[in-house]
Amino acid sequence: DVKVTQSSRYLVKRTGEKVFLECVQDMDHENMFWYRQDPGLGLRLIYFSYDVKMKEKGDIPEGYSVSREKKERFSLILESASTNQTSMYLCASSPGTVPSGANVLTFGAGSRLTVL
Amino acid sequence: AQSVTQLDSQVPVFEEAPVELRCNYSSSVSVYLFWYVQYPNQGLQLLLKYLSGSTLVKGINGFEAEFNKSQTSFHLRKPSVHISDTAEYFCAVSEHKDFNKFYFGSGTKLNVKP
Repeated sequence: DVKVTQSSRYLVKRTGEKVFLECVQDMDHENMFWYRQDPGLGLRLIYFSYDVKMKEKGDIPEGYSVSREKKERFSLILESASTNQTSMYLCASSPGTVPSGANVLTFGAGSRLTVL
Repeated sequence: AQSVTQLDSQVPVFEEAPVELRCNYSSSVSVYLFWYVQYPNQGLQLLLKYLSGSTLVKGINGFEAEFNKSQTSFHLRKPSVHISDTAEYFCAVSEHKDFNKFYFGSGTKLNVKP
């Protein structure tokens, strides 16, 4: 089974700090995603990467950046954390081009970030 | 772009009762459909998926879902729930023409009471 590992389950940071959230997948998936999950809002896509060094903005990219230097690792960066970025962050990966035409997302356990 | 609606934000149900969690999506283009489950303090895991073929899809833990193209719905059902089914359930849609993009509903919290 694919495993997606998020290095930090719980983080507490102060306003203005730079925050790194790391995600690693072990099944050679092409695509990696960062979602933000807030109560009543479901999952909102922050950024998406379909290849090393490639990225696309999702629905809510403001205040975030990403880095994909290696195929298995996708990092989410908050350059200057703010209290409204307190949330659950979910990393996911998917195969990319699949013969059946459907990609299935595999999620990590999540990183709950609190910004004080 | 798709819009995915899960009308019920919370569904309370007694143990061993049947349950249906509703999901509707906005566009009738060719789609792939998914249900994910999230247990407390965990990530999402795939419950079941519809790619093509039979409109009745069976998943893990006794759940099933039925794809209804004319009503653009993909409702999730279980004939008899257990306490351990208490979790949040998310419906997701991707389109054949852009299968790397996923649209999620806002989630339904299923609370199974003894």
